Amino acid sequence: NAGVTQTPKFQVLKTGQSMTLQCAQDMNHEYMSWYRQDPGMGLRLIHYSVGAGITDQGEVPNGYNVSRSTTEDFPLRLLSAAPSQTSVYFCASSYGVAGNQETQYFGPGTRLLVL
Amino acid sequence: AQSVTQPDIHITVSEGASLELRCNYSYGATPYLFWYVQSPGQGLQLLLKYFSGDTLVQGIKGFEAEFKRSQSSFNLRKPSVHWSDAAEYFCAVAGKGISNFGNEKLTFGTGTRLTIIP
Repeated sequence: NAGVTQTPKFQVLKTGQSMTLQCAQDMNHEYMSWYRQDPGMGLRLIHYSVGAGITDQGEVPNGYNVSRSTTEDFPLRLLSAAPSQTSVYFCASSYGVAGNQETQYFGPGTRLLVL
Repeated sequence: AQSVTQPDIHITVSEGASLELRCNYSYGATPYLFWYVQSPGQGLQLLLKYFSGDTLVQGIKGFEAEFKRSQSSFNLRKPSVHWSDAAEYFCAVAGKGISNFGNEKLTFGTGTRLTIIP
């Protein structure tokens, strides 16, 4: 198994540009989530999904969109990038609900710089 | 809404010394609690988790944590640290979201960076 994969590893955007951060898992996990990590703030949940077609907002959803059309993929879209979205983004997945006795597996992260 | 506080931003210990990392949580119901570790440039790895039962839980790499409801704490301990334990450590609590099972939303603390000196 490749586990949780994220692409790209690093991206530079200009303010106002759009992009999609890709996340895929090959473990048949129902639960997937996106976090952003900023210095001194830990990880903050952006969006999560409990299965194909079911998503919900996390703690910091503004400026980000998600959809879940397949079990394997959970892309994160930035519609109009802002410097405040400069961060490291982590995708994670688990077989069942992350907080319900299921181990959550993290991807290696995508480092995003918005100029 | 749930919250997690890790009061120590940075801790330095000598190799072979004991370690305790503090975590305090706020949650209205019985909490589901986690400790994760992040090595530089890496994603997070689960060390241990608490859901119910024995309040002392054992994890990987020789770590353990004790749940104390009266103090709203879930401190991480290791009796003798190794240089390879240098990393950032995050405590997290799970809270209810939209599914019937609940606990989809993990809230993380701000982390404690651990430095090991020879």
